[in-house]
Amino acid sequence: SQQGEEDPQALSIQEGENATMNCSYKTSINNLQWYRQNSGRGLVHLILIRSNEREKHSGRLRVTLDTSKKSSSLLITASRAADTASYFCATVPLSGGYQKVTFGTGTKLQVIP
Amino acid sequence: DTGVSQDPRHKITKRGQNVTFRCDPISEHNRLYWYRQTLGQGPEFLTYFQNEAQLEKSRLLSDRFSAERPKGSFSTLEIQRTEQGDSAMYLCASSYGVERIYNEQFFGPGTRLTVL
Repeated sequence: SQQGEEDPQALSIQEGENATMNCSYKTSINNLQWYRQNSGRGLVHLILIRSNEREKHSGRLRVTLDTSKKSSSLLITASRAADTASYFCATVPLSGGYQKVTFGTGTKLQVIP
Repeated sequence: DTGVSQDPRHKITKRGQNVTFRCDPISEHNRLYWYRQTLGQGPEFLTYFQNEAQLEKSRLLSDRFSAERPKGSFSTLEIQRTEQGDSAMYLCASSYGVERIYNEQFFGPGTRLTVL
């Protein structure tokens, strides 16, 4: 089973609105990442937040991490039609070799022009 | 193009046949990963190489699956006696890192396998 569970599973918004996606996980992590996957294209890394960080920004993206609740959120501000994609959170565990990335099931975002 | 490349992009095979996929990582990357992604799901980790050493394997990697990275550069993933349940997108990713430091993985476009 996959560790990350994204919420909601699907989200439809108007262009210009903000989109918020949440991710919950189960085990202690070294870091958490968010990826985007467009239809028919590969995964693109968006942002990485380490376990000792609480918030990170990259352009229109804002990621928060709450390790006490084992949850993270991704906020996309001023959404564009080009943001239409599936978004996945992925975790790297604190134990082991730090390399086994576990992906969630994803949130499918549709931005309507 | 200096990104991760995968070949072939699509493969259709009959049940019981063997298939082999190739991944060429970004040239300076010492780490290489294989994932499988089925429709509507996130990628699932299969295995990981550091240079030529296969350091981690998922339980998903049954004895019909074998991966190699003989010279620490490109990698191959072979599936023997394919089953319909093997139909999926197989993704390769690479990164550079030392010791236990985790760095961003760069993904290839994937190989879509259809088993009839």
